[in-house]
Amino acid sequence: KQEVTQIPAALSVPEGENLVLNCSFTDSAIYNLQWFRQDPGKGLTSLLLIQSSQREQTSGRLNASLDKSSGRSTLYIAASQPGDSATYLCAVSDNNDMRFGAGTRLTVKP
Amino acid sequence: GAVVSQHPSWVICKSGTSVKIECRSLDFQATTMFWYRQFPKQSLMLMATSNEGSKATYEQGVEKDKFLINHASLTLSTLTVTSAHPEDSSFYICSARDLGTVYEQYFGPGTRLTVT
Repeated sequence: KQEVTQIPAALSVPEGENLVLNCSFTDSAIYNLQWFRQDPGKGLTSLLLIQSSQREQTSGRLNASLDKSSGRSTLYIAASQPGDSATYLCAVSDNNDMRFGAGTRLTVKP
Repeated sequence: GAVVSQHPSWVICKSGTSVKIECRSLDFQATTMFWYRQFPKQSLMLMATSNEGSKATYEQGVEKDKFLINHASLTLSTLTVTSAHPEDSSFYICSARDLGTVYEQYFGPGTRLTVT
C-alpha cells in the first residue's frame, strides 16, 4: 500500500524567502503526482500535476520536480508571499486511487 | 477545466439521523469516483472507491453499512452517512477520475458535516 510522507510538517518563513517542501512515496509505480493547496476550512486547489514520465512542472513562482525512481518530489516556491500561507498537500496516483501525505503547513510572515 | 460539484456544502444534523451528500462531475464522465474524509488539521483519508454500476470498495476500517455509497450514473455518486454520531463530524470530499486525462482526479469543494 502506497505511503506518502511530507517534510516538514510545518514551516514558518519571512516574506520573500525561497522555500522547498518535500514529499516522498514508497511505491514508485505511479501514474502521476500532484501538489495541492488547502486553505483552512476549504477544499483543494490543484497547483501542479506531474505525469510519471515527466521530471518537473512549473507554474509562476512554483516549480515541482519528480524523481520517480527514488520516490521523491519537491515543491519549490520562489519569493514567498503572505498569501502563500496555507497547507500544501502532496498526492500520488496509481491505477487504483490517490493517496495523500499529511501536508506541510506553511506560514509566510509579512 | 473539469468541474466537480458537491451538495450540500455544509450540513448540520442530529445524532441518529442520516445525511446524503451528492458528488457530480459537471462536464465529463467519471467511471470512478472517490470519497475522502478529513478531520481537523489532518490529511485526506480515502474512505472508498466507487465505480459506476458496481459496489463500492471500502478502505480498511470504514464501515460499509454506515457509509452507503451509490454510483448510479457516470456523473453522480452519493454518500449517505447513516445513523450519524458526533464522531462522524468531518469534512467529506469527493473526487472524480477522468480516464481521458491519464488518471487525473478532479476534486469537489467538500461538505462540512456537523452532527449534534
